[in-house]
Amino acid sequence: AQSVTQLGSHVSVSEGALVLLRCNYSSSVPPYLFWYVQYPNQGLQLLLKYTSAATLVKGINGFEAEFKKSETSFHLTKPSAHMSDAAEYFCAVSDQYDMRFGAGTRLTVKP
Amino acid sequence: GAVVSQHPSWVICKSGTSVKIECRSLDFQATTMFWYRQFPKQSLMLMATSNEGSKATYEQGVEKDKFLINHASLTLSTLTVTSAHPEDSSFYICSARDRDRGLDNEQFFGPGTRLTVL
Repeated sequence: AQSVTQLGSHVSVSEGALVLLRCNYSSSVPPYLFWYVQYPNQGLQLLLKYTSAATLVKGINGFEAEFKKSETSFHLTKPSAHMSDAAEYFCAVSDQYDMRFGAGTRLTVKP
Repeated sequence: GAVVSQHPSWVICKSGTSVKIECRSLDFQATTMFWYRQFPKQSLMLMATSNEGSKATYEQGVEKDKFLINHASLTLSTLTVTSAHPEDSSFYICSARDRDRGLDNEQFFGPGTRLTVL
C-alpha cells in the first residue's frame, strides 16, 4: 500500500529564510506525488505535482520539490519565506485508485 | 478549469437529523469522486470512493449506512450524514478526477463543508 510520511508536524522559519518541508513516500509502483497547501477553513490548493517527468518540479508561489528515488523523498522547498506562506502543507501520493495524505506540516513564518 | 464546488459551505444541525452535502464538478466530467473527512488539526482521511452509476466503496471503519453516498451523474456526488451526532462534526471535503485528463492521478478538491452537530 502506498503512503507518505511528513517529518515534522510544525516548522517555524523567519521571513526571508529557506523553507524546507520533508516528505518521504512508500509505493510499490512509480508514484505520483503532490504537495497541497491549506489555509484555515479552506480546501486544498495544489502547489505542485510529480508525474515521472522532470525530477525537479516547480510549482506556484515560488515552491519547488525534488523527487529522489534513492531516498524515496519529495521534499518541498522555497528559497525565501513570506508571511503569506503560513499555512498547513500536505504531501500526498496517488495511484489509479485513490490518494493518501501525510499528517501535514504547519508552517509558521516569523516576522 | 477543473473546478469543484461544494454546497453548503457550512451547516449547523441538531443531533438526530440528516444532512446532505453536494459535490459538483463544474467544468469537467468526473468518473470518480472521493469524500474525505478532516478533524481539527488533523490530516484528510479518505471516507469513500464513488464511481458514477455504481455503489461507493467505503474505507474500513466508515459506516456506509450512516454516510450515504450517491453518484448519480458524472458531475454530481452527494454525501448524506444520517442521524448526525456531535462526533460527526467535522470538515468534509470532496474531490474528483477528470475523466478526460489522462493518467496523472490528480484529484481536484472542493472548498469543503463545515458540519457542526449540536
